[in-house]
Amino acid sequence: ELKVEQNPLFLSMQEGKNYTIYCNYSTTSDRLYWYRQDPGKSLESLFVLLSNGAVKQEGRLMASLDTKARLSTLHITAAVHDLSATYFCAVDDMRFGAGTRLTVKP
Amino acid sequence: DAGVTQSPTHLIKTRGQHVTLRCSPISGHKSVSWYQQVLGQGPQFIFQYYEKEERGRGNFPDRFSARQFPNYSSELNVNALLLGDSALYLCASSLTGLNQPQHFGDGTRLSIL
Repeated sequence: ELKVEQNPLFLSMQEGKNYTIYCNYSTTSDRLYWYRQDPGKSLESLFVLLSNGAVKQEGRLMASLDTKARLSTLHITAAVHDLSATYFCAVDDMRFGAGTRLTVKP
Repeated sequence: DAGVTQSPTHLIKTRGQHVTLRCSPISGHKSVSWYQQVLGQGPQFIFQYYEKEERGRGNFPDRFSARQFPNYSSELNVNALLLGDSALYLCASSLTGLNQPQHFGDGTRLSIL
């Protein structure tokens, strides 16, 4: 059974700092997705990673995929308050991690 | 263009009842997926449909069923409701369901009393 593990589950960071969220999965896959969910809202697609070594960047967020290590990372650069949300990775369209609840403090 | 629309937005049922949730995908999208999200957890995959055929099914009991109509809208049915079925039910659509991001609706919040 495919398992997806995210860490950390909770992350509190100060504005201006950098941090990385990790997403590990248990079986071979070359399809990895990152989503954002604000409290009480639905999910918003951030990145689609479809091959080993894929790297995508949007603003202060950068996602990468290492299919050999079965690992994806979501790097946050110079965090701002607006990035506070829960971030999910999903493998093969269907299997989601538990989410990382990010809080950015001034 | 309208996004993914789900109805109703909120629903309260009692144990043992059944419920039907509805989803209209983005125009042109032929794949619809259903997820259950319990508070504080990630979405759990229930079903995926593409071109009216079931493409995938998650680890949910047979009380859960779904179908997709010729216009690509979809229904999720849940019979013999249990307290544990209380959750946010999300519908997502994409063009083909493969190698593409899914577009999520706002969900139906189902409460079982």
